[in-house]
Amino acid sequence: SYVLTQPPSVSVAPGQTARITCGGNNIGSKRVHWYQQKPGQAPVLVVNDDSDRPSGIPERFSGSNSGNTATLTISRVEAGDEADYYCQVWDSSSDQGVFGGGTKLTVL
Amino acid sequence: QVQLQESGPGLVKPSQTLSLTCTVSGGSISSGSYYWNWIRQPAGKGLEWIGRIYTSGSTNYNPSLRSRVTISLDTSKNQFSLKLSSVTAADTAVYYCARRYGGNSHFDYWGQGTLVTVSS
Repeated sequence: SYVLTQPPSVSVAPGQTARITCGGNNIGSKRVHWYQQKPGQAPVLVVNDDSDRPSGIPERFSGSNSGNTATLTISRVEAGDEADYYCQVWDSSSDQGVFGGGTKLTVL
Repeated sequence: QVQLQESGPGLVKPSQTLSLTCTVSGGSISSGSYYWNWIRQPAGKGLEWIGRIYTSGSTNYNPSLRSRVTISLDTSKNQFSLKLSSVTAADTAVYYCARRYGGNSHFDYWGQGTLVTVSS
């Protein structure tokens, strides 16, 4: 089955840029989606299809995907961005949803 | 606005069957090209996709759970359901239902989640 690998944690100071990676075999050929999850809440989609932002998501959230790595970039990080972030793809060969292990973003 | 709401027992005994229902409002579960999914998250851990059912009724499941999982539609109630048999403590988790539109590969609407604890 397809595997997505994320770093367990990323730390960044307020106002700086956070980059969260998601690794997978030839992930650049897939559409990657990113979810933000705060404690006790359901995940919220922040980037879909590599780099699109759903309505209501700040422009500070952006994404890219190439080769074996997809990246979620959060610019001008705020305290409210502290959360767990998950990448996700749909593995069409097996018709299954696949999530990365999640990355805890800490705002210092 | 589409809304999803999970419901079901919060406590299930080991070896028994976990049963949850997701009620969909703001749209018909049987019209359009939608996949209705179950996803779970053990405490402090990541998200795990359990399986999905299409509006036609076709299903697909995570291979790691396939032998124990059944997802079904009840179009008269605009609901879909999850049954997970022979549960153990490892099945203790928050269970989410979520929608995926056919042409897309992301989950656009999620329920709030419901905690199911497996314990005697």
